[in-house]
Amino acid sequence: QVQLVESGGGLVKPGGSLRLSCAASGFIFSDYYMSWIRQAPGKGLEWVSYTSSSGSTIYYGDSVKGRFAISRDNAKNSLYLQMNSLRADDTAVYYCARRGQLFLAFDIWGQGTMVTVSS
Amino acid sequence: SYVLTQPPSVSVAPGKTARISCGGNNTESKSVFWYQQKPGQAPVLVIYFDSDRPSGIPERFSGSNSGNTATLTISRVEAGDEADYYCQVWDSSSDHPVFGGGTKLTVL
Repeated sequence: QVQLVESGGGLVKPGGSLRLSCAASGFIFSDYYMSWIRQAPGKGLEWVSYTSSSGSTIYYGDSVKGRFAISRDNAKNSLYLQMNSLRADDTAVYYCARRGQLFLAFDIWGQGTMVTVSS
Repeated sequence: SYVLTQPPSVSVAPGKTARISCGGNNTESKSVFWYQQKPGQAPVLVIYFDSDRPSGIPERFSGSNSGNTATLTISRVEAGDEADYYCQVWDSSSDHPVFGGGTKLTVL
């Protein structure tokens, strides 16, 4: 079935780095735009970044620009988020999400991976 | 940047109709999407393109978009509808997605 599975979350100190991964299955990964969306504890959804199907177009939210880097490996059906210079306010559940080709909405979401930035 | 405003909470009795608003500048010129998020779970798309339902979403869920406000309507509310609901659009000036702050629906 169509599925996204995130991994790589954990506890990291302020200023540290972490790399998240998202494994896709059940659909043609290379056909879809993919995104990272996060949710701080008890807060709402915040878009982080997205990449076009080929990876040639990439956008970042203002809060992560210059610190985070999204990438994808279509041969491995995988999406990544390299997070550098982490701050306490980056603490959140990070979701990988697919943007539907027809709906243009985020039609498939992973279960999320928790990132905690704390000393 | 574009801003979407939702009420923090809405309460409704079982069997009644819940309406959740999503306000923004000229929302009717944009396509609005709605997501349902139950505690401890990932969001689920319930409405796309203002008023269309993905397969598997009950007909009790409907949407509309006029002027500066989009509305998610849930008819014959059930206890299982209790969740947070988020609206979302694409900001055409930046090509970034924008989420509303979310509305917690409580079924009394």
